[in-house]
Amino acid sequence: EAEVAQSPRYKITEKSQAVAFWCDPISGHATLYWYRQILGQGPELLVQFQDESVVDDSQLPKDRFSAERLKGVDSTLKIQPAELGDSAMYLCASSLSGISTDTQYFGPGTRLTVL
Amino acid sequence: GQQLNQSPQSMFIQEGEDVSMNCTSSSIFNTWLWYKQDPGEGPVLLIALYKAGELTSNGRLTAQFGITRKDSFLNISASIPSDVGIYFCAGLEGGSEKLVFGKGTKLTVNP
Repeated sequence: EAEVAQSPRYKITEKSQAVAFWCDPISGHATLYWYRQILGQGPELLVQFQDESVVDDSQLPKDRFSAERLKGVDSTLKIQPAELGDSAMYLCASSLSGISTDTQYFGPGTRLTVL
Repeated sequence: GQQLNQSPQSMFIQEGEDVSMNCTSSSIFNTWLWYKQDPGEGPVLLIALYKAGELTSNGRLTAQFGITRKDSFLNISASIPSDVGIYFCAGLEGGSEKLVFGKGTKLTVNP
């Protein structure tokens, strides 16, 4: 069964450093999502791509976070500089076309710890 | 933004018992979803509901889309140890394509 791949699975960094996370969605899925999940909370959407275009980045802290999906396939989420409050699980998900009845399939996530 | 109220926050049950959890919102939702998340993994979709009053089963799991469209329920019958995990409700508000998640219900099953 096809899966969403994410790397690294774990990342420890010091505050003010730059970090980057990578996501490879299920093949053929046009829509890609990045979520942030703080411990004890549900995931919250950071950014949504339809192919290579950003559909929604209203919750992305654009002063330090950036996301790209240059060829409309895999995606990178970057944080620069990292802050203590950025410690969380970063989840990537993909869906076939992004309509409301499409299932979002989640990857295993990247657990970020900022010291 | 919209918040979903999910309860209970945690449950400790004996193997074989039935489990019920629910999710409420302050506004009308068009879609309700239930996910399960194991430690260190991403959420996995269990059940999707698209119509008010809809009752859908997936093995020992049954979920319902509330008539008011402001709530949803998940029941697990005859729990087993592998049911352990965090269960999240999620929904799509009318006119929105953005999934909103509850805070989760942590389930512990004692053998």
